[in-house]
Amino acid sequence: GQQLNQSPQSMFIQEGEDVSMNCTSSSIFNTWLWYKQDPGEGPVLLIALYKAGELTSNGRLTAQFGITRKDSFLNISASIPSDVGIYFCAGHYSGAGSYQLTFGKGTKLSVIP
Amino acid sequence: NAGVTQTPKFQVLKTGQSMTLQCAQDMNHNSMYWYRQDPGMGLRLIYYSASEGTTDKGEVPNGYNVSRLNKREFSLRLESAAPSQTSVYFCASSVNRGPTEAFFGQGTRLTVV
Repeated sequence: GQQLNQSPQSMFIQEGEDVSMNCTSSSIFNTWLWYKQDPGEGPVLLIALYKAGELTSNGRLTAQFGITRKDSFLNISASIPSDVGIYFCAGHYSGAGSYQLTFGKGTKLSVIP
Repeated sequence: NAGVTQTPKFQVLKTGQSMTLQCAQDMNHNSMYWYRQDPGMGLRLIYYSASEGTTDKGEVPNGYNVSRLNKREFSLRLESAAPSQTSVYFCASSVNRGPTEAFFGQGTRLTVV
């Protein structure tokens, strides 16, 4: 099946620093999604990308859909303590009416005040 | 403003016992999903229901059954629990665009001993 490689697995940063994480796939997707999961909670959608090359922002978050359709990155600017959590990328290929999302294994972000 | 509600939040089962995980959404979404989340594995789709009256297998359906009781409710049943089914289970729902932009519940942490 499709696989997503998400990196880094974890990162420790100082409050105020910028963060960058990315996902690469062995096959193409039509949609890239970025979720955040807080401890004990379900994932919450941060950004959805629907077009190759698309760059989308949501407050301090910016994500891009790679031009090859096999990768995506998420940047967080000026990190704050509440950015702590696990960030997941997910890809969707809509061929044949697929309802399958492929998730990366997550990037655990720790912010040092 | 409940969104997706899962019950129970925690459960411990003995090997061979059965149980049903309940999920209800109040957003009038057509599609509903059951995922499991294991450490270092990301989320994997167990079953989904594209619309009321239909259910289909996802990536890891073995050992599970589902019922789409009505538009609001989608339950997951373990007929004979096994230690390999120890996991955190998430229910999600989405409108007609497939699994993208899905809203997740808070999860059920299941331990099988």
